[in-house]
Amino acid sequence: ETGVTQTPRHLVMGMTNKKSLKCEQHLGHNAMYWYKQSAKKPLELMFVYNFKEQTENNSVPSRFSPECPNSSHLFLHLHTLQPEDSALYLCASSQELEGNIQYFGAGTRLSVL
Amino acid sequence: KQEVTQIPAALSVPEGENLVLNCSFTDSAIYNLQWFRQDPGKGLTSLLLIQSSQREQTSGRLNASLDKSSGRSTLYIAASQPGDSATYLCAVEGTGNQFYFGTGTSLTVIP
Repeated sequence: ETGVTQTPRHLVMGMTNKKSLKCEQHLGHNAMYWYKQSAKKPLELMFVYNFKEQTENNSVPSRFSPECPNSSHLFLHLHTLQPEDSALYLCASSQELEGNIQYFGAGTRLSVL
Repeated sequence: KQEVTQIPAALSVPEGENLVLNCSFTDSAIYNLQWFRQDPGKGLTSLLLIQSSQREQTSGRLNASLDKSSGRSTLYIAASQPGDSATYLCAVEGTGNQFYFGTGTSLTVIP
């Protein structure tokens, strides 16, 4: 158990659906991240939140919408996705005072039909 | 933009061998470099973090080195075991909590 929990573990959705991914960290960290991992490509950092404030948005399409209601929870809202959005979505958290070591959840495997 | 490259992409070794994984990055202005392990279908587990002012870090059979000026890091695994089979990724941290990952080295240790 890494202390970072992601739900659901698997998700299949159509292009017109709306769904949300959830991430919760029990480590008392101040920063949380969303990553996308596609086959044979490096992990892509999507969003960064520091103390609940979004600090980075790496040119992610607006069909991905993050939400960070508090420092322990992070959501990724999905709507009108494309098949190429199918990937493993990973959440991570870190604490700057601990050198920003990233602690990852197990990920949500998303398939867009 | 920072680019991280890992060589080789895949590696297969017999149990007991010592091995070296390589990571290179294009921009030396980094805060730290981390090595991770990823098992199939799982998230990443942090193995070692080297601050930009450090040259190496050790944890058990793992030793990671960092040469920031040349943009290189190596992960040395001593006396490899079948349980070490996984994908190993390196990542560098730049400004603004930006993390850049390589595509990983898939390691198979044959019993």
